[in-house]
Amino acid sequence: AQKITQTQPGMFVQEKEAVTLDCTYDTSDPSYGLFWYKQPSSGEMIFLIYQGSYDQQNATEGRYSLNFQKARKSANLVISASQLGDSAMYFCAMNRGGGSNYKLTFGKGTLLTVNP
Amino acid sequence: SQTIHQWPATLVQPVGSPLSLECTVEGTSNPNLYWYRQAAGRGLQLLFYSVGIGQISSEVPQNLSASRPQDRQFILSSKKLLLSDSGFYLCAWTPGYSYEQYFGPGTRLTVT
Repeated sequence: AQKITQTQPGMFVQEKEAVTLDCTYDTSDPSYGLFWYKQPSSGEMIFLIYQGSYDQQNATEGRYSLNFQKARKSANLVISASQLGDSAMYFCAMNRGGGSNYKLTFGKGTLLTVNP
Repeated sequence: SQTIHQWPATLVQPVGSPLSLECTVEGTSNPNLYWYRQAAGRGLQLLFYSVGIGQISSEVPQNLSASRPQDRQFILSSKKLLLSDSGFYLCAWTPGYSYEQYFGPGTRLTVT
């Protein structure tokens, strides 16, 4: 079974600084995908970034980058130059690759607060 | 472009009443469809997924059921709601060829 662990219930960061949100995972599948989603107070889930288990380079999307350390089974999200609008819940998730179901397993989330 | 709709946006129902939540996707065909539930302050739990019309897989045994009567329509139902059914219900879809999963706006259900 797959498991996602996010050990930081809450994080605070000053505006314009960088912040790292931790995520570790556990799976016995050789092929899998790792995701980060942002959930503002409105409730919508916004896809941020994806990393495949066989990708050689860390994924980047604008101010978001994923620090993928396969041996440690970690997939931390780095947000550079934080903005007030980044305040939200952040969820790490994974799916089992190689199939067509793409079911996601989510962590419990980290609440990020960006201070002015 | 593709769009996913959910309704209603909010719902307050008494214990023991029936439930029907609807999700539709526009701008694509043969998507994989998913129902998730998020309890207050928690992560998302996958309830059902579907890879085609009439094909439903259940992840968690409970008093909820799902149906897919049309290619782009996914319905979550219950005959008798429990207090523990309260939560935020999110529908999601993926193209059959892609890993990216996109979520609808959600339905906030309160069972009283």
